Amino acid sequence: GQQVMQIPQYQHVQEGEDFTTYCNSSTTLSNIQWYKQRPGGHPVFLIQLVKSGEVKKQKRLTFQFGEAKKNSSLHITATQTTDVGTYFCAGAGTASKLTFGTGTRLQVTL
Amino acid sequence: NAGVTQTPKFRILKIGQSMTLQCAQDMNHNYMYWYRQDPGMGLKLIYYSVGAGITDKGEVPNGYNVSRSTTEDFPLRLELAAPSQTSVYFCAAQGGGRGDTQYFGPGTRLTVL
Repeated sequence: GQQVMQIPQYQHVQEGEDFTTYCNSSTTLSNIQWYKQRPGGHPVFLIQLVKSGEVKKQKRLTFQFGEAKKNSSLHITATQTTDVGTYFCAGAGTASKLTFGTGTRLQVTL
Repeated sequence: NAGVTQTPKFRILKIGQSMTLQCAQDMNHNYMYWYRQDPGMGLKLIYYSVGAGITDKGEVPNGYNVSRSTTEDFPLRLELAAPSQTSVYFCAAQGGGRGDTQYFGPGTRLTVL
C-alpha cells in the first residue's frame, strides 16, 4: 500500500532559526496536504498543494510540491515558539482517504 | 457550527470491557474517518465511511467495529478492550472525495488497564 515518510522525526531549534521537514511518498499523489498538531491537540489543516512543482506561502511558511508529485516540503523561516508542534503531510492517491506521514515534531526554544 | 465533536474526552477501561466512542459532525460531509494515534506517533486509519450505510476497513481495523446509519454520526465500537488499544482516537470528516480537507474532532484519550 501507499506509504508516506517524513524526515526528520524530530528537530529542536532556537527561536529565529529556520526549519524544514521533508515528505516522501512511495506512489504518485493527486494532491498533498499539510496539517499541524499542537501538543495535546488535534491535527489542523494548513494547506493543500495540487499541481506539480507548486509553491505556496503562508506568512513565514513555504510549502512545495515536487515535480514528480511524490514529495513535498515545508519550510518555516525564523521560527517562533508558536510554531511548536508536530507537522504532518498527508497524501491523496486514487481513493478518497489520505495517507498521513509519520510526522516531524518541532521544538523551539528561546 | 460545532464541526466535529467527540465524546467522551477521556476514558479508562479494564481489559475485556467494551465501549463506544461517539463522533458527530454538523457539516453534512459524506466522508468520515477514525484514526488512532499512539504516543509520539503518526495517525493510523482504523475505519472510514464514504456515506451513510457504507463503511470500509483501514490500516488497523482489528478489535474495532463501526456503523454509519446517518450522515452525521460515525460511532466506533471497541469489543473486548486490550492494553494495545490504549491510544488517542480522532474522528475526522471530509466534504468531497480525492483528498479533500479533513476536519478533526478534539479526540478521545483511552487507557486500557
